[in-house]
Amino acid sequence: QKEVEQNSGPLSVPEGAIASLNCTYSDRVSQSFFWYRQYSGKSPELIMSIYSNGDKEDGRFTAQLNKASQYVSLLIRDSQPSDSATYLCAVNMNTGFQKLVFGTGTRLLVSP
Amino acid sequence: EAQVTQNPRYLITVTGKKLTVTCSQNMNHEYMSWYRQDPGLGLRQIYYSMNVEVTDKGDVPEGYKVSRKEKRNFPLILESPSPNQTSLYFCASSLSAGASYNEQFFGPGTRLTVL
Repeated sequence: QKEVEQNSGPLSVPEGAIASLNCTYSDRVSQSFFWYRQYSGKSPELIMSIYSNGDKEDGRFTAQLNKASQYVSLLIRDSQPSDSATYLCAVNMNTGFQKLVFGTGTRLLVSP
Repeated sequence: EAQVTQNPRYLITVTGKKLTVTCSQNMNHEYMSWYRQDPGLGLRQIYYSMNVEVTDKGDVPEGYKVSRKEKRNFPLILESPSPNQTSLYFCASSLSAGASYNEQFFGPGTRLTVL
């Protein structure tokens, strides 16, 4: 089982819709979770971090964490064509220091 | 401007010719890391450094070396590159090595082709 799993997509949504991106992880005691956005050929850019169970909202983005189910998701409301990118889920493993493990990413396509 | 820089951004080389990819950050970060990104495999950690003179292997260290003589710099060395090291490489840094809550900032990437 991979440590961090994501559906590779592509996930296609029309402009203005809600895009829902999902991620599961294997280390039950992981404490911190990150969503990065990566445009083709560019570097990953952090868009959300979440540490506690529940929802965290920032503008059009909402991260959701369920540690019991080992599941983290990202919702993008009012999706725009500029949101078309690959979204990487990253989990900081419980090693006592920084150890980010990345999923392979979900490609999101927002059509006008 | 706070940033992580990498050089070169693009490099085409031949098997066996030693090369170094430089990485520098101006944020006084303790932690630095190198990743490679390959289609279908995602980002995988090559080496990391928790502070000056403290480095350790990541998940895919074979064929690579690193050093951390100054806090701001963390070069990646390929002593004898091979075609399977053709990849997109990212350097990243983070404020504290011991805190799992710190964001990692990524450099712009280096696209390496080994013929």
